[in-house]
Order: sequence, then structure tokens, then C-alpha cells
Amino acid sequence: ETGVTQSPTHLIKTRGQQVTLRCSSQSGHNTVSWYQQALGQGPQFIFQYYREEENGRGNFPPRFSGLQFPNYSSELNVNALELDDSALYLCASSSDRVTSPLHFGNGTRLTVT
Amino acid sequence: AQSVTQLDSQVPVFEEAPVELRCNYSSSVSVYLFWYVQYPNQGLQLLLKYLSGSTLVKGINGFEAEFNKSQTSFHLRKPSVHISDTAEYFCAVSEVQGAQKLVFGQGTRLTINP
Repeated sequence: ETGVTQSPTHLIKTRGQQVTLRCSSQSGHNTVSWYQQALGQGPQFIFQYYREEENGRGNFPPRFSGLQFPNYSSELNVNALELDDSALYLCASSSDRVTSPLHFGNGTRLTVT
Repeated sequence: AQSVTQLDSQVPVFEEAPVELRCNYSSSVSVYLFWYVQYPNQGLQLLLKYLSGSTLVKGINGFEAEFNKSQTSFHLRKPSVHISDTAEYFCAVSEVQGAQKLVFGQGTRLTINP
């Protein structure tokens, strides 16, 4: 059973640029969620996708957007990067939208300079 | 809206000693409760969850937690810790209805000393 994989593991971008982070869900999982974890903080919910549709969104601006593909892999896109976007971005997949445990990847460390 | 407060940012204990990591939550609706562990440079791993039923929940690695509705608490305990338990621990809640949108606490860094 393959777990959740995220790419890249580390990324450095300049303020104002755009970035795309990728996530492959665990086999058999149709739901993917994205979280932002700033240094020394708990993760914050960005959004969830279920069967290619956005199924819930946290308190993040529209420049944070996502996609889920037919194979249930997912992308997180962030436009017009700001210094405060520097964080660990975690992807988690689950087999349903509500009660199944989230399986987290190891994250992508984004640094914005 | 929900919020989670982890009452201790750091907890140092000696190996084989018991430990309790405290978590209080606030919510106007029914919630599910979770504890996750994060080892250095890794994602989060589920330790245990409370959905309904018995208020004492047993998880992996010998951890357990007790849901106390009147005190809105969900404290995590382990009777005897090991060096390998050194990690960051997060308490989280999500609404019973709707998408599984976890609201996390700030985390508690558990350090086990030999």
C-alpha cells in the first residue's frame, strides 16, 4: 500500500511568484485535504477536495487554489507569493469526507524570500 | 467555529515516567476529537480519535485519551514513555457535520530524557 507522497520536498520562491505543489493520494482514497503549517504552529486547513470538487475551504484568500484529478491526485497553487506563505504544506488523503482518518504526507517546505 | 488550546507548549519527562498532555476545546456544535503525532521532518500520524461511545479511547504506541464533555477536554496520557516518544503532539477537532476540516492546537513538544 503506497502512502501519501508530496513533491517537491523543498522549494524556494521569490515574493510575487507562483508555485504549484503536488500530492499523490493513498491508494483507494477519494478525498484530499491541504493544510499549511507555519513554523512552531499547528496546521491550518486550506481546503478539501472530494471526487474532483472543492468540498470545504478554510480562511485562505483566493490566491490559494487547488485541483483534484480523476486519479484523486491533487495540486495546490499559490499565486502572488508573500513572505508569510513560507511554511510546511501538508497534504492528507482519506477514504471519505467526514470520519475516516487522514493520512498525511511528509509535506513540502516552501520558503518565500 | 471551533478552537483548541493545548495547555503546555513543552513537556519534559524522564524515560519510563508517566505523561499527560492537556487539551481543551471550544465548539458550539458536536465535534470529533483527535490526537496526532509529528516526528521531525515528517507529516502527522494519527494516534487516536474519539467519534462516539466510550469516553476512554486507546490508540497506538500505548497512548490513551479521555473525552470529558463537561470540561471540554481531551487529555492524552501514557503510563510509561520511551525515548522514541520524543515528538510534537497535536490535538485537533472537527465538526460532526460537513467536511472533515481539522482545527489543530498549537502543539506540545514532548521531550524524553534518559
